[in-house]
Amino acid sequence: AQSVTQLGSHVSVSEGALVLLRCNYSSSVPPYLFWYVQYPNQGLQLLLKYTSAATLVKGINGFEAEFKKSETSFHLTKPSAHMSDAAEYFCAVSEGTGRRALTFGSGTRLQVQP
Amino acid sequence: DARVTQTPRDKVTEMGQEVTMRCQPILGHNTVFWYRQTMMQGLELLAYFRNRAPLDDSGMPKDRFSAEMPDATLATLKIQPSEPRDSAVYFCASGLSPGADLSYNEQFFGPGTRLTVL
Repeated sequence: AQSVTQLGSHVSVSEGALVLLRCNYSSSVPPYLFWYVQYPNQGLQLLLKYTSAATLVKGINGFEAEFKKSETSFHLTKPSAHMSDAAEYFCAVSEGTGRRALTFGSGTRLQVQP
Repeated sequence: DARVTQTPRDKVTEMGQEVTMRCQPILGHNTVFWYRQTMMQGLELLAYFRNRAPLDDSGMPKDRFSAEMPDATLATLKIQPSEPRDSAVYFCASGLSPGADLSYNEQFFGPGTRLTVL
């Protein structure tokens, strides 16, 4: 069975500071991993995805994530936070085969302080 | 600019009433997903379809919820009768899956329907 754990329901950083949002997954087969962002009153939008190619994945808006199999992690980072990054971020996992759709984590709300 | 549309955006109804939410997937997409989002439970997958056929609706309360795709351009989610615990934001997402494996395909989300059951 697949599952996702996002550590920290709220993260607050200063503008210009490093953003680190944590995601650990559980999967019985090699997973596909995703990060989505949700702005207030909007649907989710894909930031980036890992599908067994390069372990360091670059996404939109300057975000990137690194797949670490030994740590079963897929943490999301951005070197310098902008005010516009304030949103909720969801990590999601899908097992590599079969008809199973995505399983989402509980989300991390990112606040960016001026 | 192709996007998933959902109607209505907001719905307030009384307990016991029927609620129908509609979703228009992106033209050409062949997979449709219904999710429910609440503060307590987060994002829950209710049901999903591929080529209009239901693949999994195990996340949906069967006694009151039903999901259908009358045609490739319309997906519906019905609740009858509605209850206050159904209050949530319901999202529809669509994607393109050339095969039965849905695992690596991006899902495009609609703006959601905010349902309040009094």
